[in-house]
Amino acid sequence: GQSLEQPSEVTAVEGAIVQINCTYQTSGFYGLSWYQQHDGGAPTFLSYNALDGLEETGRFSSFLSRSDSYGYLLLQELQMKDSASYFCAVKAGTASKLTFGTGTRLQVTL
Amino acid sequence: NAGVTQTPKFQVLKTGQSMTLQCAQDMNHEYMSWYRQDPGMGLRLIHYSVGAGITDQGEVPNGYNVSRSTTEDFPLRLLSAAPSQTSVYFCASSYSGGQFSGANVLTFGAGSRLTVL
Repeated sequence: GQSLEQPSEVTAVEGAIVQINCTYQTSGFYGLSWYQQHDGGAPTFLSYNALDGLEETGRFSSFLSRSDSYGYLLLQELQMKDSASYFCAVKAGTASKLTFGTGTRLQVTL
Repeated sequence: NAGVTQTPKFQVLKTGQSMTLQCAQDMNHEYMSWYRQDPGMGLRLIHYSVGAGITDQGEVPNGYNVSRSTTEDFPLRLLSAAPSQTSVYFCASSYSGGQFSGANVLTFGAGSRLTVL
C-alpha cells in the first residue's frame, strides 16, 4: 500500500512564504499531486510532479525528489484566501488511482 | 458543462437502512472514484472504476457497493448503514491514462454529507 505524511497544521503571515512538506512510501510511484480544499468545499487540483525538480504555477510551486520520496508545496506572497487545507496525493500502482495524505491546514493571519 | 454532479447533498439515515449516493459526470471521463473524508483522516478511496463495466476496491470498500453501467454514472450503495459510515463522500473523475499520461487530474463533485444515527 501507500502511506503519506504531511504536517497537520501550519500558520503563516499574509505576504510571507510557506512550505508544506510531504513524504511518502509507495511502490510503483508515478507522480505526486497537490490539491487545495477550502472549508465546506471540494478539493481542487493545484500541481503535479512526475520528475525531480520544481514546477511553478504563479504563486504556487511544487517540488519532488524521487530518491528521497519527498515533495513540498511552496506558497509565496500568501493571501488570506490561501487559508485552506492542502493535500498531497501519490499516483502509484494502478495508473489512475490516487492515494491522499491526511492534509495540512494552512491558516494565514494578518 | 456541469462537471461532476452528486446527489443528495445531505442525508440522514438510521442504522441498518440502505441508500444510494448518485454521481454523474458529463466530461466523458473514463476514470471515476468515490472517496470518504473524515476529520484528521484525509480522503480515503472507497471504490474506483477505469471504465464502464470495470470496478475495483480502494482502501476502505467494506459496506459499500458500486457499479458502472455507463461512462457517465457511478453510484455508491450503502447496503446496511452504520454510524461509522457517517462522513462526507466525494465522487471524482478524470481521464484515464498510464504512467506517462500526466497528472490524471481529478475533478470532484461538491460532496454528499451523510449522517447515520
